Amino acid sequence: NAGVTQTPKFRVLKTGQSMTLLCAQDMNHEYMYWYRQDPGMGLRLIHYSVGEGTTAKGEVPDGYNVSRLKKQNFLLGLESAAPSQTSVYFCASSWMKGTSGELFFGEGSRLTVL
Amino acid sequence: GESVGLHLPTLSVQEGDNSIINCAYSNSASDYFIWYKQESGKGPQFIIDIRSNMDKRQGQRVTVLLNKTVKHLSLQIAATQPGDSAVYFCAERTYKYIFGTGTRLKVLA
Repeated sequence: NAGVTQTPKFRVLKTGQSMTLLCAQDMNHEYMYWYRQDPGMGLRLIHYSVGEGTTAKGEVPDGYNVSRLKKQNFLLGLESAAPSQTSVYFCASSWMKGTSGELFFGEGSRLTVL
Repeated sequence: GESVGLHLPTLSVQEGDNSIINCAYSNSASDYFIWYKQESGKGPQFIIDIRSNMDKRQGQRVTVLLNKTVKHLSLQIAATQPGDSAVYFCAERTYKYIFGTGTRLKVLA
């Protein structure tokens, strides 16, 4: 099993450009999340999804859009990138049932907006 | 609103000593509390979790304590080793996971 896979791992954008980060998980998890992490900071929730076809806003949703057309994929889009969106982005997935609270993370995608 | 915070941004301990990292949470409806370790340039690594109906759980060299009365969570690392140097995050879960700001643990030789 690959777990949670994020692509691309690195990207440099110019202000105003758009891009999409792809997250894929092969664990049949219902819940998926996108976080951003700025240097020396914690993880802040951007958007999340509790199932295929559903999305919801997290703590810092402005400037981002998401889609969950398939259960295994969760896409994060930036329509018009800004330097403030320079960050490391982590995708994660989990079950909500069962005997573990573990959240499974991808390796991260480092985005630089010039 | 929901928040998870940490009391100490940096903790320095001597190798071989025990480490205690603290965390405060605010949402009484959280069903799980989780600790993660993050090394520089890497993603968060799961350490241990505790369900809200428990007050203590032990793993290999780690113990998590949950005090629901004062909404406090702690991670104890026994016999701290150089490889334990990292940033540690607590998180609380309802249907989403909210993370604290993190504590940097430095292990002194």
